[in-house]
Amino acid sequence: SQQGEEDPQALSIQEGENATMNCSYKTSINNLQWYRQNSGRGLVHLILIRSNEREKHSGRLRVTLDTSKKSSSLLITASRAADTASYFCATDNQAGTALIFGKGTTLSVSS
Amino acid sequence: DVKVTQSSRYLVKRTGEKVFLECVQDMDHENMFWYRQDPGLGLRLIYFSYDVKMKEKGDIPEGYSVSREKKERFSLILESASTNQTSMYLCASSLLGGRIGPNEQFFGPGTRLTVL
Repeated sequence: SQQGEEDPQALSIQEGENATMNCSYKTSINNLQWYRQNSGRGLVHLILIRSNEREKHSGRLRVTLDTSKKSSSLLITASRAADTASYFCATDNQAGTALIFGKGTTLSVSS
Repeated sequence: DVKVTQSSRYLVKRTGEKVFLECVQDMDHENMFWYRQDPGLGLRLIYFSYDVKMKEKGDIPEGYSVSREKKERFSLILESASTNQTSMYLCASSLLGGRIGPNEQFFGPGTRLTVL
């Protein structure tokens, strides 16, 4: 089934640095969503970007979408220790009725 | 405040037992979803429901069934639990999607199920 693939699988940075995670997918989409998961907890929605949008911001988060390359990136600026989590991208399934999640990027921010 | 609750955070069952995982949402959402999450495999969709008594198979429905008798409640049933069903189970809900695709999903805290 269609699935977003995040890259890198793991990322370790220092507080204050920027973190960039990428997502690639296979077929056309209606929208792409990013979620965060703290260890052992449920996922929390971060941003939804529609297929006709190129960039979206929310606080320290910036998401870009390039439908010609079938890819998206999530940038977290000025990272904090509290940003330590796994980040997932999700795209719609072929019927557009559900989300298909990637395997995630594990971000570790050390102080 | 939006809330999705799951009946247990941790559950230990024996092989062959019938297992019920309950999920309740208070947002009047049409859609509800069950996922399992395993290391290295990410989240995989088991079943979802877009209305009472309606259900759709996800990517890995084998060994599972679901029940949605009321809009706010979506149950996942393991008819005869097996050790390979040891996993983290996540429930989510969302408003019905439209032309722009699926809406954002709200997740419960998860149930970590161990089958011995």
